[in-house]
Amino acid sequence: GAVVSQHPSRVICKSGTSVKIECRSLDFQATTMFWYRQFPKQSLMLMATSNEGSKATYEQGVEKDKFLINHASLTLSTLTVTSAHPEDSSFYICSATPISRRVAGDPQYFGPGTRLLVL
Amino acid sequence: DAKTTQPPSMDCAEGRAANLPCNHSTISGNEYVYWYRQIHSQGPQYIIHGLKNNETNEMASLIITEDRKSSTLILPHATLRDTAVYYCIVRVDNAGNMLTFGGGTRLMVKP
Repeated sequence: GAVVSQHPSRVICKSGTSVKIECRSLDFQATTMFWYRQFPKQSLMLMATSNEGSKATYEQGVEKDKFLINHASLTLSTLTVTSAHPEDSSFYICSATPISRRVAGDPQYFGPGTRLLVL
Repeated sequence: DAKTTQPPSMDCAEGRAANLPCNHSTISGNEYVYWYRQIHSQGPQYIIHGLKNNETNEMASLIITEDRKSSTLILPHATLRDTAVYYCIVRVDNAGNMLTFGGGTRLMVKP
């Protein structure tokens, strides 16, 4: 249980185009999902918190108009990288915690990640 | 959330126990200790978590000191597939709270 999927797993796009990444919780519901970014040889950095039915909250330095987040249901959050540039090339990872707490301190579960390469 | 300190790297022989330490001396009473690992080019994988009691599951054991200022993750019989970066994170139990990742420990299991 507690499986999070991401699609696509890998995407290559041209500079200036937009790319949408989906994050789904397959066997649980989540009111909050998180989006992280990871550059080579670095740790995960939180980009934004996605809240179902309301606006996402972004970390300092993350442009909300460039990284559009939609959390339309309790099982799906999407991240759209608009007008992508080569510096946006990175590994994007989402995570979520089940609404229905099964154990105390129920952990976050992570998706497998999406590797974006902007040419 | 409390900050954690981990050694940047460790080696372990295949088949032996891997003991990964974590210091969290500023942990609060309501903060849990979580362990994740990240194998190259994959998303982090949840391993185990605990509040103050030692915990064991099919993957690992978590030993938390009585004062809760440090913990140790134990992989009882390390395999080559356990080579990964291991992250120790402390966080209040709240689904709305994000995880803050530090540098982690790069565990290399050697044959």
